[in-house]
Amino acid sequence: DARVTQTPRHKVTEMGQEVTMRCQPILGHNTVFWYRQTMMQGLELLAYFRNRAPLDDSGMPKDRFSAEMPDATLATLKIQPSEPRDSAVYFCASGLGTSMNTEAFFGQGTRLTVV
Amino acid sequence: GQSLEQPSEVTAVEGAIVQINCTYQTSGFYGLSWYQQHDGGAPTFLSYNALDGLEETGRFSSFLSRSDSYGYLLLQELQMKDSASYFCAVRGGYQKVTFGTGTKLQVIP
Repeated sequence: DARVTQTPRHKVTEMGQEVTMRCQPILGHNTVFWYRQTMMQGLELLAYFRNRAPLDDSGMPKDRFSAEMPDATLATLKIQPSEPRDSAVYFCASGLGTSMNTEAFFGQGTRLTVV
Repeated sequence: GQSLEQPSEVTAVEGAIVQINCTYQTSGFYGLSWYQQHDGGAPTFLSYNALDGLEETGRFSSFLSRSDSYGYLLLQELQMKDSASYFCAVRGGYQKVTFGTGTKLQVIP
């Protein structure tokens, strides 16, 4: 059963600490997205990769957020230093990234609370 | 940039039909998708339209008019389990996928 796996599922951390969220995309998918969801802002695109190369990270605060794909089986999203306003659910999604196949498969998300 | 608008909430009766509209502005357009998200869950894919017209998948149908930058999701024979949030999403330039703010559908008996 192919699925996107995100770890951890829940994270509580103190303001100022580094947070690393991990995502294992579905094998064979060449596009990976990071989204942040809050009640106020909805689903915001933070960054996305195609064939491991970052295509757009304009939605991400560059001073504290960074996204990487060290290999095809792992995507990471780091926040350093974390702030209370970063509290949200962070979703990773992967897809085949073709014009006729646009289904993005979402992981279960990482619920981050910064206190 | 890309922006999408959809109603924030819709209420409908079990067994009825409901339509959720979505208007969008985008630079580059590959298609419009719809996702369903139950409270506490992850978004799941429902449908995709790249060309004008209606796509039907069981009880759900999705429509697109590219000239009007408009689409809708039609849910028929509503069931209580259809209560969820529904998001439209645009795939634009560089395959970038941007989501709308979501429509919370409440199905009542």
